[in-house]
Amino acid sequence: AQTVTQSQPEMSVQEAETVTLSCTYDTSESDYYLFWYKQPPSRQMILVIRQEAYKQQNATENRFSVNFQKAAKSFSLKISDSQLGDAAMYFCAYRSAMGGKLIFGQGTELSVKP
Amino acid sequence: ETGVTQTPRHLVMGMTNKKSLKCEQHLGHNAMYWYKQSAKKPLELMFVYNFKEQTENNSVPSRFSPECPNSSHLFLHLHTLQPEDSALYLCASSQEGGGRSKNIQYFGAGTRLSVL
Repeated sequence: AQTVTQSQPEMSVQEAETVTLSCTYDTSESDYYLFWYKQPPSRQMILVIRQEAYKQQNATENRFSVNFQKAAKSFSLKISDSQLGDAAMYFCAYRSAMGGKLIFGQGTELSVKP
Repeated sequence: ETGVTQTPRHLVMGMTNKKSLKCEQHLGHNAMYWYKQSAKKPLELMFVYNFKEQTENNSVPSRFSPECPNSSHLFLHLHTLQPEDSALYLCASSQEGGGRSKNIQYFGAGTRLSVL
């Protein structure tokens, strides 16, 4: 069975600085998708970024980028030029390319200091 | 507005009550999901519906009863719940099949349920 692990329950970053959130996963599949979702206090789960395992190039969305290391089964999220609105719970998630359920990590709570 | 609407946003109920949670998606998707989010725990998938047919029931107690009358609406009927069922219940939808790019799940804002 696949598992997703986020080893940092809490992280803090100064406004305008860069922060990296860690995620590791375990799977025997070769084709899958990885996601980072953001859940602010409003509770809305918002997709931040998505990576397809068969693509070697790391995904990027504006200030958000990932470091996808397939062999190491690592999928970290880098947030550049952090803003107060980035404060939220961040979840890493895995999904098989065959479809099926999203498997979530435990989450990392990010606080941004002004 | 993400295209997935959940009502009510908050619900308080006694253990003997019967209530329903509603989810509606305006994205034209063909799959819908119920997740449970408890404090300090990862999201847990409860039910999956593809083309209105239930395709997954993740060992959920029978006091939770899902209903999917059409591809845009999903309900979760609740009866004789326990205090440990208090949690945030999230609905999501996705477009399954038809290519690699259409498997992203979009979430509603959830219903915060408290069972007294």
